[in-house]
Amino acid sequence: AQKITQTQPGMFVQEKEAVTLDCTYDTSDPSYGLFWYKQPSSGEMIFLIYQGSYDQQNATEGRYSLNFQKARKSANLVISASQLGDSAMYFCAMHRTEYGNKLVFGAGTILRVKS
Amino acid sequence: EAQVTQNPRYLITVTGKKLTVTCSQNMNHEYMSWYRQDPGLGLRQIYYSMNVEVTDKGDVPEGYKVSRKEKRNFPLILESPSPNQTSLYFCASSLIGANEQFFGPGTRLTVL
Repeated sequence: AQKITQTQPGMFVQEKEAVTLDCTYDTSDPSYGLFWYKQPSSGEMIFLIYQGSYDQQNATEGRYSLNFQKARKSANLVISASQLGDSAMYFCAMHRTEYGNKLVFGAGTILRVKS
Repeated sequence: EAQVTQNPRYLITVTGKKLTVTCSQNMNHEYMSWYRQDPGLGLRQIYYSMNVEVTDKGDVPEGYKVSRKEKRNFPLILESPSPNQTSLYFCASSLIGANEQFFGPGTRLTVL
């Protein structure tokens, strides 16, 4: 069975500094996808970044990058130059397309950016 | 505008009173899914549908029903709600095999 683990319930970061949110996953499948979503206090789910298991390079999207270490089964999210608007809940998730597009989510990490 | 809509956004009800949360998408997606979000548990899949008239259970289907009579709509039905179904519910849709899923704005349900 697939499982996502986010070990940091909450994190603080100083504005303009970088922060890493941890995510480890467990799967025996060779083909899978890893996602990060942001959930601000308003509640909506915002897609941030995607990494496929066969992708050779780490995914990047603006200030977001995914540090993908396949052998360690980790997919950490790095946010550079944190902004106050980055304060939110962050979810790591995984999917296998053989099961439709089912996403398995971690418990989430609350990030607070301090000014 | 491509979007997933859910109604209602907020609902307070009482135990046993049947309710339906609607979900609609305008992107012609085959795949639609319902998740519930609870503190410390993240989001968990309730039911999903691969196409019209094709639905299947997710990880936490007990107490819920769904139907997919039209491609764009995927309502979630609680026949006899109980307090343990108090949660934040999300509908999501995507093309089969696509990387990105589109989430609705969420429905916050409280069952007293």
